[in-house]
Amino acid sequence: DAGVIQSPRHEVTEMGQEVTLRCKPISGHNSLFWYRQTMMRGLELLIYFNNNVPIDDSGMPEDRFSAKMPNASFSTLKIQPSEPRDSAVYFCASSSPGLGVHEQFFGPGTRLTVL
Amino acid sequence: GENVEQHPSTLSVQEGDSAVIKCTYSDSASNYFPWYKQELGKGPQLIIDIRSNVGEKKDQRIAVTLNKTAKHFSLHITETQPEDSAVYFCAASTGGTSYGKLTFGQGTILTVHP
Repeated sequence: DAGVIQSPRHEVTEMGQEVTLRCKPISGHNSLFWYRQTMMRGLELLIYFNNNVPIDDSGMPEDRFSAKMPNASFSTLKIQPSEPRDSAVYFCASSSPGLGVHEQFFGPGTRLTVL
Repeated sequence: GENVEQHPSTLSVQEGDSAVIKCTYSDSASNYFPWYKQELGKGPQLIIDIRSNVGEKKDQRIAVTLNKTAKHFSLHITETQPEDSAVYFCAASTGGTSYGKLTFGQGTILTVHP
């Protein structure tokens, strides 16, 4: 398996623009997690899905952030409009807790820079 | 909800020395405690984990201990090598849920000097 796939790996955009981050979880995993990592705040859980259904989005910072999981093999995290303080590395992770596999497998991350 | 505290935030050791990172958790229902290693430019990767029915687990140079009464767990790395330099995260989970949510500590930057 190729592992968790994220795209793009790097994104530079200007304030006010819409940003869409993409994630393909490991095949067969039914839980998907979006994290944000910064030096100041560490690794923050933004939202997670189970069987494509959002379970807890309490970590989403503002209404400017939204996430979807239209099917078991694809998820997006959208920021609209983006702001400089959104600059961070965004990770997607997947796991299969229903099968007793609690390990979360992380993707390589998307480094977002908002100018 | 669960809260995980991790110390120290930075740790510097000489090659060959041991390194210890400690974490405390707040939710007594937590029963799964993984440790992740994050190398520069990469996502975190699981290196070892322990469940609440076990007090200690070892894998080569890495060991984890768990004290459920005190609600703390620790990572021990022996005979450290420069390639052990990375950021280490502890986490806790109530593994009984079907969602697999993890609460992470703040991370420890480990530097191993040759």
